[in-house]
Amino acid sequence: DIQMTQSPSSLSASVGDRVTITCRASQSISQYLHWYQQQPGKAPKLLIYAAVSLPSGVPSRFSGSGSGTDFTLTISSLQPEDFATYYCQQSDSIPVTFGPGTKVQIK
Amino acid sequence: QVQLVQSGAEVMQPGASVQISCKASGYSFTDYRIHWMRQAPGQGLQWLGIGDPLGVGTTYLRKLQDRLAMTTDTSTNTVYLELSSLRSEDTAVYYCAREGGGFLFDSWGQGTPVTVSS
Repeated sequence: DIQMTQSPSSLSASVGDRVTITCRASQSISQYLHWYQQQPGKAPKLLIYAAVSLPSGVPSRFSGSGSGTDFTLTISSLQPEDFATYYCQQSDSIPVTFGPGTKVQIK
Repeated sequence: QVQLVQSGAEVMQPGASVQISCKASGYSFTDYRIHWMRQAPGQGLQWLGIGDPLGVGTTYLRKLQDRLAMTTDTSTNTVYLELSSLRSEDTAVYYCAREGGGFLFDSWGQGTPVTVSS
């Protein structure tokens, strides 16, 4: 199974800050990497797919990059509604696996 | 719009079986596969398996495959997850999600909390 790691596990930031979250796969997954946002008590929401693409309706302050084993999610200017937990997920092979999550908290 | 509506919370005894439903609407049901995930309290997401909308092919997480069953009722656009021989470590919120192609999940149900406790 492909193992996914994320760093940091949590971070504190202020509204307007630029935030970067890293995801690493235990083996190359090309760009079969997706990001989800989960608000407390809610289901995850697709944020970025195929490493760099934004689904319709996702604000442009979110961006993704990377390929192979190393990936990044960037929020260019943090907004109040962005305080949440972010998960990466690989879809290169079954079983699909998720990273442990990065919790973005208010400073 | 795409909607996945799951059944309500369950409290189960160890050793029992639980069945959770996920009713889809707003799209052509047989064109998309439904996956199941779970999230233990304070933990991350664990993929459980794929429910084929045509009921032809299912794939389960290997370590749970003896206890998992995913079935489909195309007459009601509903997918079911059954987990048997429940243990305390099965306590989690269970989610269904639509696969938007390439094993990415573009719509999710609201989640069904399952508590296993004596």
